Amino acid sequence: KAGVTQTPRYLIKTRGQQVTLSCSPISGHRSVSWYQQTPGQGLQFLFEYFSETQRNKGNFPGRFSGRQFSNSRSEMNVSTLELGDSALYLCASSSGQGGPNEKLFFGSGTQLSVL
Amino acid sequence: AQSVTQLGSHVSVSEGALVLLRCNYSSSVPPYLFWYVQYPNQGLQLLLKYTSAATLVKGINGFEAEFKKSETSFHLTKPSAHMSDAAEYFCAVSKNTGFQKLVFGTGTRLLVSP
Repeated sequence: KAGVTQTPRYLIKTRGQQVTLSCSPISGHRSVSWYQQTPGQGLQFLFEYFSETQRNKGNFPGRFSGRQFSNSRSEMNVSTLELGDSALYLCASSSGQGGPNEKLFFGSGTQLSVL
Repeated sequence: AQSVTQLGSHVSVSEGALVLLRCNYSSSVPPYLFWYVQYPNQGLQLLLKYTSAATLVKGINGFEAEFKKSETSFHLTKPSAHMSDAAEYFCAVSKNTGFQKLVFGTGTRLLVSP
């Protein structure tokens, strides 16, 4: 079974640009969550999508948005990039059903550098 | 609000020594607690999780953690460190069984010397 796939692996952008990151979950998983990891702020939850609907949301500005497609693949978009958006963006998938057997599987991340 | 505090940004042990990584939680409701490991240039991998079934939780790679409500702690231990255990370890908490919205600690980097 293939794992969570994130593309691209590395990305370099300049301030003011926008960027789109992609995440393909494990087959059969309907939930995709996004996290931002930075040396200063650590790991922070961005949002979660389940069956094409945003189900949970973190405390990030509206420049950060996402969507999920009918095949459960998800994209995250950041508009008007700022230097502080430089981070490793991690995607995680799960069945989304909850319960004690629920488990998040993380991808290797997309390293975004904003110059 | 829920949070976790990891004591020590770096922990150094010798190969074969006991590994102890500390995590204390703050939660107004019974929490669900997790330990994740991150190897360089990789994502996070779940080591173990506490979901109130048993206070002593055994995970992968020989790690275990004990939930102590009286101490609000969930420390991670391994009896004998191996060089391959060198990585960053994160404690996390979730207030519901969805587990998608996790609040992470700041992480502890484990260094293992020969």
